[in-house]
Amino acid sequence: KAGVTQTPRYLIKTRGQQVTLSCSPISGHRSVSWYQQTPGQGLQFLFEYFSETQRNKGNFPGRFSGRQFSNSRSEMNVSTLELGDSALYLCASSEQSHKRGGGDEQFFGPGTRLTVL
Amino acid sequence: GNSVTQMEGPVTLSEEAFLTINCTYTATGYPSLFWYVQYPGEGLQLLLKATKADDKGSNKGFEATYRKETTSFHLEKGSVQVSDSAVYFCALSNNDMRFGAGTRLTVKP
Repeated sequence: KAGVTQTPRYLIKTRGQQVTLSCSPISGHRSVSWYQQTPGQGLQFLFEYFSETQRNKGNFPGRFSGRQFSNSRSEMNVSTLELGDSALYLCASSEQSHKRGGGDEQFFGPGTRLTVL
Repeated sequence: GNSVTQMEGPVTLSEEAFLTINCTYTATGYPSLFWYVQYPGEGLQLLLKATKADDKGSNKGFEATYRKETTSFHLEKGSVQVSDSAVYFCALSNNDMRFGAGTRLTVKP
């Protein structure tokens, strides 16, 4: 089975621009979660999608949004980029949603490194 | 709410030394607990997990026991190798996923 893939791997944008990141989960996985990883804040949960519905959301401003398609692929969008949005954005997939009660392993992609200048 | 507190490090050990990375959690109910490892330039990989109290997760010589009475899930390995150098994350799943800050381990030959 192919692993979780994320595109692009690297991205450079300027302040005020918007960006869309893409994630393809492992075949058969219906849950996709997004995380932001920075040296200062560590790994922070952005949101989780399951069967095209947002199941859970972390504490991020509305500039961060996402969606999931019927084939479980997911995109996240960040509008009006700020310097502090520079980070590694990780996507993870699992068979079931965290809302179900946990226990399912998450499989992570390699991440998209976003640099905002 | 849910939270994970993890020994931050960095930790530097010599090959064959004993490793302990402390992890404690706060959660209502019965969370599942995980240790993930991140090698340079890669995403996180599951190292081990435990889904109920007193469960012991183990993999590649690493182990951790789910201690509900002390709300802990400490990671241990009896003899580390250079190839174990990575960042280790403690995590819990309980309606959402929470990760610790990560502990960078460097093992020197």
